[in-house]
Amino acid sequence: ETGVTQSPTHLIKTRGQQVTLRCSSQSGHNTVSWYQQALGQGPQFIFQYYREEENGRGNFPPRFSGLQFPNYSSELNVNALELDDSALYLCASSFEYRGPQHFGDGTRLSIL
Amino acid sequence: QQQVKQSPQSLIVQKGGISIINCAYENTAFDYFPWYQQFPGKGPALLIAIRPDVSEKKEGRFTISFNKSAKQFSLHIMDSQPGDSATYFCAASEGPYSGAGSYQLTFGKGTKLSVIP
Repeated sequence: ETGVTQSPTHLIKTRGQQVTLRCSSQSGHNTVSWYQQALGQGPQFIFQYYREEENGRGNFPPRFSGLQFPNYSSELNVNALELDDSALYLCASSFEYRGPQHFGDGTRLSIL
Repeated sequence: QQQVKQSPQSLIVQKGGISIINCAYENTAFDYFPWYQQFPGKGPALLIAIRPDVSEKKEGRFTISFNKSAKQFSLHIMDSQPGDSATYFCAASEGPYSGAGSYQLTFGKGTKLSVIP
């Protein structure tokens, strides 16, 4: 059984740029949730995708957007990057939106 | 507004001792309470979870105690080992059992556990 995989592992961007992060869900899972984890903090919910539709969104601005593909993999896009966007971005997958969420190892994004 | 408050921020326990981490929540619609373990450079790994109609759940050396009236839950790690040294997060969400709500996980700020030999 393949777990949740995320790419890239690390990324360095400058303010104002745009970034796309990718996530492959665990085999058999149809729901993907994205979280932002600042240094020394707990993960914060960004949004969830279920069967290619957004199924809930946290308190993040519209420049954070996402997609889910027919194979249930997902992308997180962030436009107009700000210094405060520097964080570990975590993807979690689950079987159905009610199921236990299993996390990948994240993408470390640094904004200069 | 922090909906899940976790304490202590850090914890040092001797090998073989009991580690206890506490969480308190405010939202009475929460109906799913998982604990995650995170090692440096890794994502959180689901450790154990409980629903509010159960007061205690045990899996191996890990036990969750749940007090619905006090809106508190805790993680006990028995016979703590150096390999348990990690950051532990409590979390809560609405919906998995009630069928309503956002299903998003709300996390505490984490407890860094160090188990010394």
